Amino acid sequence: NAGVTQTPKFRVLKTGQSMTLLCAQDMNHEYMYWYRQDPGMGLRLIHYSVGEGTTAKGEVPDGYNVSRLKKQNFLLGLESAAPSQTSVYFCASSPLAGGWNEQFFGPGTRLTVL
Amino acid sequence: GENVEQHPSTLSVQEGDSAVIKCTYSDSASNYFPWYKQELGKGPQLIIDIRSNVGEKKDQRIAVTLNKTAKHFSLHITETQPEDSAVYFCAASIGGNQFYFGTGTSLTVIP
Repeated sequence: NAGVTQTPKFRVLKTGQSMTLLCAQDMNHEYMYWYRQDPGMGLRLIHYSVGEGTTAKGEVPDGYNVSRLKKQNFLLGLESAAPSQTSVYFCASSPLAGGWNEQFFGPGTRLTVL
Repeated sequence: GENVEQHPSTLSVQEGDSAVIKCTYSDSASNYFPWYKQELGKGPQLIIDIRSNVGEKKDQRIAVTLNKTAKHFSLHITETQPEDSAVYFCAASIGGNQFYFGTGTSLTVIP
């Protein structure tokens, strides 16, 4: 089992460019999450999904879109990147409702927007 | 929404000493409190968790305590070792789909 994998590991964008971050899990988990981690601010939830075909907004959703077309994949899109979106992005998954189950995190994607 | 505060932001201890990290939360409806350890360049990993119907939980050198009345919970690491050096995050969940994380504590264990 690879667990949770994220692609790419690093990326540099120019302001206004778009990109998609891919998260994949092979544990057959229902729930998937996208977080961003900024210095001194911990992890903040961007969007999450409670199952294939569903998505919901988290704490800081503005400027991001997500899709969960397949149960094992959760995509995070930036349509027009801004320097404020420079961050480390983590994907996570959990088997059932996140409130009672461990979240398994991927290794992260470091994004820099110039 | 929920607000989780975590202290201290950095902590240095001598090997073999104990380390304590404290978190407070604002929403009395929160009922699940996990602790994550993040090593450099990696994603967070769950080390221990506690539910609101339990006051204390222990797993070898790690323990977590919860005071629902005061709305705070703490992580205790005894007999610290250099491999305990990492960033630790507390989190709170209202039993739904969202977790609210603290700002992290960077623990350094000095050999």
